[in-house]
Amino acid sequence: EDQVTQSPEALRLQEGESSSLNCSYTVSGLRGLFWYRQDPGKGPEFLFTLYSAGEEKEKERLKATLTKKESFLHITAPKPEDSATYLCAVHPNDYKLSFGAGTTVTVRA
Amino acid sequence: EAQVTQNPRYLITVTGKKLTVTCSQNMNHEYMSWYRQDPGLGLRQIYYSMNVEVTDKGDVPEGYKVSRKEKRNFPLILESPSPNQTSLYFCASSWGVAKTSYEQYFGPGTRLTVT
Repeated sequence: EDQVTQSPEALRLQEGESSSLNCSYTVSGLRGLFWYRQDPGKGPEFLFTLYSAGEEKEKERLKATLTKKESFLHITAPKPEDSATYLCAVHPNDYKLSFGAGTTVTVRA
Repeated sequence: EAQVTQNPRYLITVTGKKLTVTCSQNMNHEYMSWYRQDPGLGLRQIYYSMNVEVTDKGDVPEGYKVSRKEKRNFPLILESPSPNQTSLYFCASSWGVAKTSYEQYFGPGTRLTVT
């Protein structure tokens, strides 16, 4: 059975304090790994897709990396507007999409 | 504006009273999907559709039905809602399952309470 585990569940950061979120996965073949951002009361918003081990993607203060068993989302010098829940999802070799429970990030000014 | 719309946004109903949550996308996407989101469990896929008239079960399909008669619409039907279906529901769409086209666009969500 496909499994996606995110850690930590919650992360409180001071503005400018860099940190990383983890997404570990077990799937029967991987077509892609996705990162989404979700603000309270809203639908998830797409951030990145990673397809193969060693791949990296960047967007502003966010950088996503992928290995054969996990992915990291690095937040560099975060700002309060980076506060959100970050979701990881994997697309195995079928039409489904499996999400992790998410990491809620709070950045204090 | 490219978007996924859901209606209603909020719904309170009673056990056993049939209801439909509508979902519509204006991006000509082939793939559509329904999820429910519960605290501590994350997003779980209910049903998905690869194209018109083609649907399949996700991880938690029990108690739900879907149909895809038109490309733009993908309604979620609860024939006999029960309290354990109280949840936040999201509809999503994407171009398809080919590489570079699987990024999903999500609707704003429907908060359902079944008493």
